[in-house]
Amino acid sequence: ETGVTQSPTHLIKTRGQQVTLRCSSQSGHNTVSWYQQALGQGPQFIFQYYREEENGRGNFPPRFSGLQFPNYSSELNVNALELDDSALYLCASSPGLAGAYEQFFGPGTRLTVL
Amino acid sequence: AQTVTQSQPEMSVQEAETVTLSCTYDTSESDYYLFWYKQPPSRQMILVIRQEAYKQQNATENRFSVNFQKAAKSFSLKISDSQLGDAAMYFCAYGNILTGGGNKLTFGTGTQLKVEL
Repeated sequence: ETGVTQSPTHLIKTRGQQVTLRCSSQSGHNTVSWYQQALGQGPQFIFQYYREEENGRGNFPPRFSGLQFPNYSSELNVNALELDDSALYLCASSPGLAGAYEQFFGPGTRLTVL
Repeated sequence: AQTVTQSQPEMSVQEAETVTLSCTYDTSESDYYLFWYKQPPSRQMILVIRQEAYKQQNATENRFSVNFQKAAKSFSLKISDSQLGDAAMYFCAYGNILTGGGNKLTFGTGTQLKVEL
């Protein structure tokens, strides 16, 4: 069983650019959540996708957007990058919407904005 | 909005000893879930243990157990017989149910656990 994978591992961008991060969910999982983890902080919820529809969103501006594809993989897009967007971006998948389901996390993408 | 507080930025424990990590949370909901996640230096977050708020019985997973006090909004993690592999950042997380179902996790700031020989 393949776990959650994310690409790329590391990324360096400059302020004002746009970035796309990718996530492949664990086999059989139809729900994907994205989190932003700033250095020394706990992860913060960005949004969740269930069967290609956004199912919930945290307190992030509209320049953070996402997609989920029919195979349940997902993308996180960030436009007009700011220095504060530098963080570890974590993707997590789960087998459905039940609250008790564990979220399985990927290794993350480290984004640096210069 | 829910908040999660971990008041111990760092903890140390001797190998084979027991350590307790503290967590408190604030919520007005009655139905929710609580989790402890472990994040080793490799960065991959791993679930340690979960607790359903409607269950009075404290969850246990091998050497890991919780002390869940719903009225006090407290959710501490006890690690028994600590091992070198337990060294990691531990995050307490509150899971509240989104309108469309599913779980949104709110994390604390973490406790860095060091295990000494």
